[in-house]
Amino acid sequence: DIQMTQSPSSLSASVGDRVTITCRASQGISNSLAWYQQKPGKAPKLLLYAASRLESGVPSRFSGSGSGTDYTLTISSLQPEDFATYYCQQYYSTPPITFGQGTRLEIK
Amino acid sequence: EVQLVESGGGLVQPGGSLRLSCAASGFTFSSYWMSWVRQAPGKGLEWVANIKQDGSEKYYVDSVKGRFTISRDNAKNSLYLQMNSLRAEDTAVYYCARDLGSTSCYDYWGQGTLVTVSS
Repeated sequence: DIQMTQSPSSLSASVGDRVTITCRASQGISNSLAWYQQKPGKAPKLLLYAASRLESGVPSRFSGSGSGTDYTLTISSLQPEDFATYYCQQYYSTPPITFGQGTRLEIK
Repeated sequence: EVQLVESGGGLVQPGGSLRLSCAASGFTFSSYWMSWVRQAPGKGLEWVANIKQDGSEKYYVDSVKGRFTISRDNAKNSLYLQMNSLRAEDTAVYYCARDLGSTSCYDYWGQGTLVTVSS
């Protein structure tokens, strides 16, 4: 099974900050990576897939990059609605489909 | 508008059974892989199972193999998860989710249904 490790586990930032979250796979996943945002009590929302492709309707301040085993989610200028928990997910080698443990983004 | 609506959750004793349903609308259900993903209280996301468009392929996370069965009825636009021999560690919100095209990431999710396994 491919293990996904996100860092940091939690992060405090201010509105307007640039934020980067990292996801590392235990083996290469050939850009088969998605990022989700989840707010309390809500279902996850797909932000990006194929490592860098923005899902329809997602603001352009969200971007993704990476290759091999290492991937990043960047929010260029944090907005109040961006404070949430973020998950990465690999779909390269399945089953099982695996998620990172999550990164909680909090207001500083 | 794509909609996924789960139902069937509730409180069940350890060793008991429950059947979850997911009613799909707003898209051609029979054209998509579908999945169940769960989230234990205060924890992260865990993929549980998925099923091919025609039901001919099904896959499960190891922890539920032999206890859970995923199925679908394309005529009723519905996805199911039969859960038997439930354990306390199965307590979670269960989401149904639609695969994005040919990938196994999820562009639409239901609102979730809570399953609590406790005596």
